[in-house]
Amino acid sequence: KAGVTQTPRYLIKTRGQQVTLSCSPISGHRSVSWYQQTPGQGLQFLFEYFSETQRNKGNFPGRFSGRQFSNSRSEMNVSTLELGDSALYLCASSFGQDQETQYFGPGTRLLVL
Amino acid sequence: GENVEQHPSTLSVQEGDSAVIKCTYSDSASNYFPWYKQELGKGPQLIIDIRSNVGEKKDQRIAVTLNKTAKHFSLHITETQPEDSAVYFCAASIQGGADGLTFGKGTHLIIQP
Repeated sequence: KAGVTQTPRYLIKTRGQQVTLSCSPISGHRSVSWYQQTPGQGLQFLFEYFSETQRNKGNFPGRFSGRQFSNSRSEMNVSTLELGDSALYLCASSFGQDQETQYFGPGTRLLVL
Repeated sequence: GENVEQHPSTLSVQEGDSAVIKCTYSDSASNYFPWYKQELGKGPQLIIDIRSNVGEKKDQRIAVTLNKTAKHFSLHITETQPEDSAVYFCAASIQGGADGLTFGKGTHLIIQP
């Protein structure tokens, strides 16, 4: 089975812009979670989607949003980018909705200038 | 919310020796404890996980122990090899709960030849 894929792998944006990141889960997995990884804060939970519905949300501002499509693919969007949004954004998929074993993708490295 | 502390932040061991990484968690309701290995430029890779109804789990050279009373869990790697060099993260969550995985800050494991 192919693993979790994320596109793009690298992205450079400027402050004030918005960005959309994409995640394709492992085939058959219906749950997708997003995490932000920075050197200072480590890995932090953003949100989780299951069957096109956001089930859980971490402690991030409303500029961070996401959605999930009927094929389980997910996108996350960050609006009005700030320098502090520079991070590795990781997507993880799992089979069910109860945060079972999560498998991570390679991440999207976002640099905000 | 859950808080996970991980120690040490850096661990250097001789090839062939054992390595132990320890984590403590704060929420007694947490019942799922995975360990991830992250190599440079890659996403976290699940190496082993344990649920709260089990005290110990082993997979070849890797083992995890869980002490629910003390709220701590540990990763043990025996007969370390150069390819074990990476950053290791512990995490905790409540399966079916409202939050995603809460991660420790990571341990940089260095295997000295």
